[in-house]
Amino acid sequence: EAEVAQSPRYKITEKSQAVAFWCDPISGHATLYWYRQILGQGPELLVQFQDESVVDDSQLPKDRFSAERLKGVDSTLKIQPAELGDSAMYLCASSPANGPGIYEQYFGPGTRLTVT
Amino acid sequence: SQELEQSPQSLIVQEGKNLTINCTSSKTLYGLYWYKQKYGEGLIFLMMLQKGGEEKSHEKITAKLDEKKQQSSLHITASQPSHAGIYLCGADLSGGTSYGKLTFGQGTILTVHP
Repeated sequence: EAEVAQSPRYKITEKSQAVAFWCDPISGHATLYWYRQILGQGPELLVQFQDESVVDDSQLPKDRFSAERLKGVDSTLKIQPAELGDSAMYLCASSPANGPGIYEQYFGPGTRLTVT
Repeated sequence: SQELEQSPQSLIVQEGKNLTINCTSSKTLYGLYWYKQKYGEGLIFLMMLQKGGEEKSHEKITAKLDEKKQQSSLHITASQPSHAGIYLCGADLSGGTSYGKLTFGQGTILTVHP
């Protein structure tokens, strides 16, 4: 069964350091999403890609966060510098969406980030 | 306030009991998704509902989207310890114009005692 892959699963970093997360979506899925989930809350969208293009990054803190999906397949989310408030679960999801509409969306196992 | 409200926030039931979790929106839901999450893990896709009045089932879990498409319910029949976890509803609140951007409720924590 095809799955969304993420690495690392856990990351501990010190404040002001740089950190990066990787995501490989389900093969053939054109749309990739990065969500952030703070403990006790639902996920919130950070950035959304359609192939290699950003569709929505309105909630991405662009002063410290960046995301790319250079070849329209896998994606990297980076934080530099990390702050204590960035401690959260970072979830990647993918869907076959190739335009506006309703599509099934599948999530990876997530990366748990702890900033000390 | 949350755009999607889930109730209850937590639920403790005895194994074998039935239960219902609700998800309510102040906006029309153009796609309503139910996920299950175990602590510290990713979201597991359960069901997606699109049409008002639609109902889907997966094993002992049934979800419905009401006719006015502003509320959904998730019903578990004869609960088992394996049903324990966090249930999250997510929805497209963009009017169907986004590429699947989901807004989530805060989750319902389900505990099932053997």
